[in-house]
Amino acid sequence: KAGVTQTPRYLIKTRGQQVTLSCSPISGHRSVSWYQQTPGQGLQFLFEYFSETQRNKGNFPGRFSGRQFSNSRSEMNVSTLELGDSALYLCASNPSTGLGYGYTFGSGTRLTVV
Amino acid sequence: GEDVEQSLFLSVREGDSSVINCTYTDSSSTYLYWYKQEPGAGLQLLTYIFSNMDMKQDQRLTVLLNKKDKHLSLRIADTQTGDSAIYFCAESRGTSGSARQLTFGSGTQLTVLP
Repeated sequence: KAGVTQTPRYLIKTRGQQVTLSCSPISGHRSVSWYQQTPGQGLQFLFEYFSETQRNKGNFPGRFSGRQFSNSRSEMNVSTLELGDSALYLCASNPSTGLGYGYTFGSGTRLTVV
Repeated sequence: GEDVEQSLFLSVREGDSSVINCTYTDSSSTYLYWYKQEPGAGLQLLTYIFSNMDMKQDQRLTVLLNKKDKHLSLRIADTQTGDSAIYFCAESRGTSGSARQLTFGSGTQLTVLP
């Protein structure tokens, strides 16, 4: 059973550009969440999608957006990149709305903004 | 509040037991999780415990939950060098909305000495 796949693994972008990250959940998982991990702020929740609808959103500016497709794959987009957006972006999938299943994380996309 | 706190570092000798502690502030926490992160990798779910449980054991891992003190611990028996990693405590709460996001502690760097 394939795990959560995130592409690309590494990205280098210039300040002011935009970037799109992709996440393919485990087959059959319908919930996809995104997290940002930085040394200073740790792991912070960005947003969660279920059946193509954003159900929950963290405290991030509007430059951070996402979407989910009918096959549950998800993308997140960051526009007008800032140096502080440099981080490891992690995607997690969950089989259902159940709280106890836990989340399976991908290996992340390491974004560096220069 | 949404704070989840952990000590930053722990060193143990190979073969000893490791105990990683975590405190949380929100009494409505429903599930509590332990994740492991190795260098350059995503988060690996180790175990989770429902808030109405006191203890959960899974092979070398024992989770203890003290709801009164809002204290969670992870004990790793017979710690091996391969257990060296960062361990994150996380919580989710409620039955909707915020329940679908995880709040993480800052992580405990476990170093296993030969």
